[in-house]
Amino acid sequence: DTGVSQNPRHKITKRGQNVTFRCDPISEHNRLYWYRQTLGQGPEFLTYFQNEAQLEKSRLLSDRFSAERPKGSFSTLEIQRTEQGDSAMYLCASSLLSVGQFFGPGTRLTVL
Amino acid sequence: GQQLNQSPQSMFIQEGEDVSMNCTSSSIFNTWLWYKQEPGEGPVLLIALYKAGELTSNGRLTAQFGITRKDSFLNISASIPSDVGIYFCAGQGYGGSQGNLIFGKGTKLSVKP
Repeated sequence: DTGVSQNPRHKITKRGQNVTFRCDPISEHNRLYWYRQTLGQGPEFLTYFQNEAQLEKSRLLSDRFSAERPKGSFSTLEIQRTEQGDSAMYLCASSLLSVGQFFGPGTRLTVL
Repeated sequence: GQQLNQSPQSMFIQEGEDVSMNCTSSSIFNTWLWYKQEPGEGPVLLIALYKAGELTSNGRLTAQFGITRKDSFLNISASIPSDVGIYFCAGQGYGGSQGNLIFGKGTKLSVKP
């Protein structure tokens, strides 16, 4: 399968714990994006990378969120001190330059 | 923040019927995209539109990029049960951003066999 992959698919954590998600983009894609989606809404942009450089960050990305793409390939999204409001589907997408973003299956986070 | 107005919110149709949904914005976008999402999965790209006025087809799906660059529509002809899902429009290029996709709230499609 050469699509975008995300791990884990589901994560249940207690409030206050840290969580980390991983995204592996389509291999030749140089851009990687993170979105968050809550029930009944469309995805909301969080941040994106071109190669290893983080080029844009949304105001939704609070200080507790950090994303990295150290070698321009896979990326991680970490949430520190999780809150119940962080419960959502976290989606990763990739693209070749700005042409059409392809999404992974998402990581469903539940904060108890 | 910028939002897209997507309508209708939901549709219940009979198999074989044609479907039309649209998306409008108060701002100009450089690119319009249409995605389909099924429960528990990520959105799947259906059609991408890059030029104002562009009309593009993908099988039974047809989408157009409005001349004003502030709207787009998606048509599905001869619907089948596997068309069930939530369809999202998304605009790119708002405020000079090259990465940020702005999504509508989706149109939930139900098809009765």
